[in-house]
Amino acid sequence: EPEVTQTPSHQVTQMGQEVILRCVPISNHLYFYWYRQILGQKVEFLVSFYNNEISEKSEIFDDQFSVERPDGSNFTLKIRSTKLEDSAMYFCASSSRGRGYTFGSGTRLTVV
Amino acid sequence: TQLLEQSPQFLSIQEGENLTVYCNSSSVFSSLQWYRQEPGEGPVLLVTVVTGGEVKKLKRLTFQFGDARKDSSLHITAAQPGDTGLYLCAGAMVGSGGSNYKLTFGKGTLLTVNP
Repeated sequence: EPEVTQTPSHQVTQMGQEVILRCVPISNHLYFYWYRQILGQKVEFLVSFYNNEISEKSEIFDDQFSVERPDGSNFTLKIRSTKLEDSAMYFCASSSRGRGYTFGSGTRLTVV
Repeated sequence: TQLLEQSPQFLSIQEGENLTVYCNSSSVFSSLQWYRQEPGEGPVLLVTVVTGGEVKKLKRLTFQFGDARKDSSLHITAAQPGDTGLYLCAGAMVGSGGSNYKLTFGKGTLLTVNP
């Protein structure tokens, strides 16, 4: 069964530092997404990416966030200057037609 | 803003019992997806329902999409301890870019099946 792979599984960073979360989507998928889940809260949409550009972003996805597909396999989420409230599980997902998602196992980001 | 309300939030039952969890919204979705999430893991897709009134079965799990495509239910027959987990519903809407679907998740139903 194809998987979405995320690294690292855990990341601890100091407030104000930059972090890059990495994802390898399923190879024949065309749509890529980042979601996040703050402890005890709902899974929330951050951004969708298609055809090498952002197709939609939520109000959470402000100027401190960026996404990139630097090569044919990786999809990254960068947070430029982390805040305490950025602590959450970050999930990458991909889909072929935008209906059935495959999620990765997530990166637990802790900002201290 | 689309909201999905799931009920109940917590459900604890004995092995062999039947149960139904509900997912309700005031918004119409193009499709509705049910996921199961284990602690520390990402959601795993169980089923997607697309057509109003659609019923899908996955072994002992039966999923139904409401006629108006605003609500859905998940029924589990003869629950087993292995069914224990967090069940999430998510409504799919075509994004503003027109070429993607973004998901709006409910808070989930945490099911515990006791042996």
